[in-house]
Amino acid sequence: SQTIHQWPATLVQPVGSPLSLECTVEGTSNPNLYWYRQAAGRGLQLLFYSIGIDQISSEVPQNLSASRPQDRQFILSSKKLLLSDSGFYLCAWSQTIKGNEQFFGPGTRLTVL
Amino acid sequence: SQQGEEDPQALSIQEGENATMNCSYKTSINNLQWYRQNSGRGLVHLILIRSNEREKHSGRLRVTLDTSKKSSSLLITASRAADTASYFCATDVWDKIIFGKGTRLHILP
Repeated sequence: SQTIHQWPATLVQPVGSPLSLECTVEGTSNPNLYWYRQAAGRGLQLLFYSIGIDQISSEVPQNLSASRPQDRQFILSSKKLLLSDSGFYLCAWSQTIKGNEQFFGPGTRLTVL
Repeated sequence: SQQGEEDPQALSIQEGENATMNCSYKTSINNLQWYRQNSGRGLVHLILIRSNEREKHSGRLRVTLDTSKKSSSLLITASRAADTASYFCATDVWDKIIFGKGTRLHILP
């Protein structure tokens, strides 16, 4: 069976510090991968998605970046965090881009102080 | 721009009652999905309905789709305390899925 992991579960970082969130998927190959951000009490904002290694599409211009160094690893990074980067970050995978359900990780709660 | 919009934003009902949530969208779709999110957790897929389907059932869930009105509804029958969660509709737009802002459902004991 497939599983998706995210870490860390929670993170408190000062403004201006770097960020690295990791997501890994097990039990499937060549998944489509997604990073979402969810502000408190709000919906999901798609940040990045990837259909393959080193193939990243950015949805929202910001100070975040994503990388996919391996087939089942997706990393969200920032060189300098802003207060507005606080939120709940969710990683998800799917078999195809369109028409398939997405499977979500447990999320990372990021607080930027 | 927001593709799917859920209505109402929040809903409180007594345990045992039925809960209905609606989703409206703007552009043509191939399918529409509903997800549930418990507080502080990831989303869980509930049901997918294709554009050529009008109604779909899964356990206590019933989803309808009206493509002429660009709307969908999620009905949860005989609600339970464990149904307390946020519910999101998601529509496919080009090569990605767009989520609405969700309906927060609270089941009262």
